[in-house]
Amino acid sequence: AQKVTQAQTEISVVEKEDVTLDCVYETRDTTYYLFWYKQPPSGELVFLIRRNSFDEQNEISGRYSWNFQKSTSSFNFTITASQVVDSAVYFCALSEARSSGDKLTFGTGTRLAVRP
Amino acid sequence: EPEVTQTPSHQVTQMGQEVILRCVPISNHLYFYWYRQILGQKVEFLVSFYNNEISEKSEIFDDQFSVERPDGSNFTLKIRSTKLEDSAMYFCASSARTIRADEQFFGPGTRLTVL
Repeated sequence: AQKVTQAQTEISVVEKEDVTLDCVYETRDTTYYLFWYKQPPSGELVFLIRRNSFDEQNEISGRYSWNFQKSTSSFNFTITASQVVDSAVYFCALSEARSSGDKLTFGTGTRLAVRP
Repeated sequence: EPEVTQTPSHQVTQMGQEVILRCVPISNHLYFYWYRQILGQKVEFLVSFYNNEISEKSEIFDDQFSVERPDGSNFTLKIRSTKLEDSAMYFCASSARTIRADEQFFGPGTRLTVL
């Protein structure tokens, strides 16, 4: 069965520090999709990135970057030069190709606190 | 920018009562979802819906739950007889699904409190 593990429950950093959020997944599918969502204090879920299992290229979007490594079943998320507005809970999620309904399986989330 | 809307933002009900949570997905989306998040816990999949049929459901989505698209714009989740453990934030999401496992756009959520 599919599973997503985010071992870091809470991380606290000082503004401008770099921070990496870890995500490890389990799946028996060879085709799958990985996601990161941000949940700010207001509570909504904001999409950050989607990556399919055949694309192992790292991606950078502004201060955000993602490192996908199939060999270790990890999809880690790095925020460079963190800002207070980055404070949120970040969820990693997995969708398997066998899922007829594009079900997202979420990890337990990492709460990031960025202090000024 | 188009967005998913949900009403009400907060619903308080007595155990055993029926509740209907409402969602208006993004207008050109055809795939709809419900998830829930018990306070402080992870987001859990309930059901996905396409072409007036359930595409997939989780073990949480038992006979007490049902979904419906009553008209061209609304998508509802009904809980027939609420239990204390149904207290959670319920998120609706929609997707254009132009690609496999396309981005799901989430609404702001409805906080359900069962007393």
